[in-house]
Amino acid sequence: DAKTTQPTSMDCAEGRAANLPCNHSTISGNEYVYWYRQIHSQGPQYIIHGLKNNETNEMASLIITEDRKSSTLILPHATLRDTAVYYCIVITAKTSYDKVIFGPGTSLSVIP
Amino acid sequence: GAGVSQSPSNKVTEKGKDVELRCDPISGHTALYWYRQSLGQGLEFLIYFQGNSAPDKSGLPSDRFSAERTGGSVSTLTIQRTQQEDSAVYLCASSTRTTMVASGGSYEQYFGPGTRLTVT
Repeated sequence: DAKTTQPTSMDCAEGRAANLPCNHSTISGNEYVYWYRQIHSQGPQYIIHGLKNNETNEMASLIITEDRKSSTLILPHATLRDTAVYYCIVITAKTSYDKVIFGPGTSLSVIP
Repeated sequence: GAGVSQSPSNKVTEKGKDVELRCDPISGHTALYWYRQSLGQGLEFLIYFQGNSAPDKSGLPSDRFSAERTGGSVSTLTIQRTQQEDSAVYLCASSTRTTMVASGGSYEQYFGPGTRLTVT
């Protein structure tokens, strides 16, 4: 299973873009990169996912390098409510079912 | 619509007792997952149910842990002879996933609020 590595913590000024990196150097060709976040005492929330093209939705943008060995989640205008732990994960497909492996994530603090 | 629900929201139990945690997935979701999150740690995968296939139990930390999913809907996670290291938040998730990732199927998991288990 592909593993991911992320920085343990990051700070970002309110209103600025938050760029959260993730390394997944052992990712294989049919594995997707997914991002979730978990605000304190709540369940994890889906943010965005991608295979090889950059993706954007109402929450964030996902930039995946051409070799797919790393990606960056971008929150374009961070607010205090974006303070959370952000998880970068890789989906492993096996026969008819998948297993999701979460690492410790990046604790993002948005500073006023 | 109704999301994933879990009960109880909090459970305090004495070491050595058995506990049962319940998960009600979103109606129609065929996939159901259990995770746990210890204080300050990331999410740890425990077990996965998909339709009528045999569950993936590879994440269960010991044989004291077991899970059932009756009728393809409600799931119960059972921990026998609880230990203090079992203290954590236990999260359940469900998804509509029925196709493999390689075919382009989306993979959004919807999480419940969790059950906070404290073993004293």
